[in-house]
Amino acid sequence: RKEVEQDPGPFNVPEGATVAFNCTYSNSASQSFFWYRQDCRKEPKLLMSVYSSGNEDGRFTAQLNRASQYISLLIRDSKLSDSATYLCVVRQQMDSSYKLIFGSGTRLLVRP
Amino acid sequence: GAVVSQHPSRVICKSGTSVKIECRSLDFQATTMFWYRQFPKQSLMLMATSNEGSKATYEQGVEKDKFLINHASLTLSTLTVTSAHPEDSSFYICSARIGGRYTDTQYFGPGTRLTVL
Repeated sequence: RKEVEQDPGPFNVPEGATVAFNCTYSNSASQSFFWYRQDCRKEPKLLMSVYSSGNEDGRFTAQLNRASQYISLLIRDSKLSDSATYLCVVRQQMDSSYKLIFGSGTRLLVRP
Repeated sequence: GAVVSQHPSRVICKSGTSVKIECRSLDFQATTMFWYRQFPKQSLMLMATSNEGSKATYEQGVEKDKFLINHASLTLSTLTVTSAHPEDSSFYICSARIGGRYTDTQYFGPGTRLTVL
């Protein structure tokens, strides 16, 4: 079983649509949670951190449920520029450092 | 924001040759640097973690003799793929960590696309 699981998609939605991505993680000791965005053939870029209380950044809302080990990302009023792969990422402590565990990503295509 | 560079951005080589990839933190000193590999339509997989002046810590299944990591300074880490084979063709991405009392962030390089013929 993968440590971080995501629906690979693709999600094909029209501009203006609301779309939700889900993610589950297997290690209950995971400490921090993030959504990254990766464009084709580019490096991943941090979109937002995810907190249990839920957090919002403009059109993006992220939510964490530690009990069910579930993370979500909601994108409202989709733009063409939102087309990308969205990576669910968890951070795990290791000795004096930590490591990031990436999901394989959910691909979003926003059409005109 | 902080900038991490990688060189080269793309390399094509013959099977059996060695390829060196450089990762530099341009405007900060990185306490730790990480090397990842990403195959098409798959997630980034951590290969190794390196701290300046010490040996890298490799993830399970990653051959340390094949993927040599040198972390000579707080701003430079290199990954050498020795005796590369076609199955080593992948997107290699480094990241540099800034660790502090209030912030702890990884900044990713733009990646190096390796094609082994």
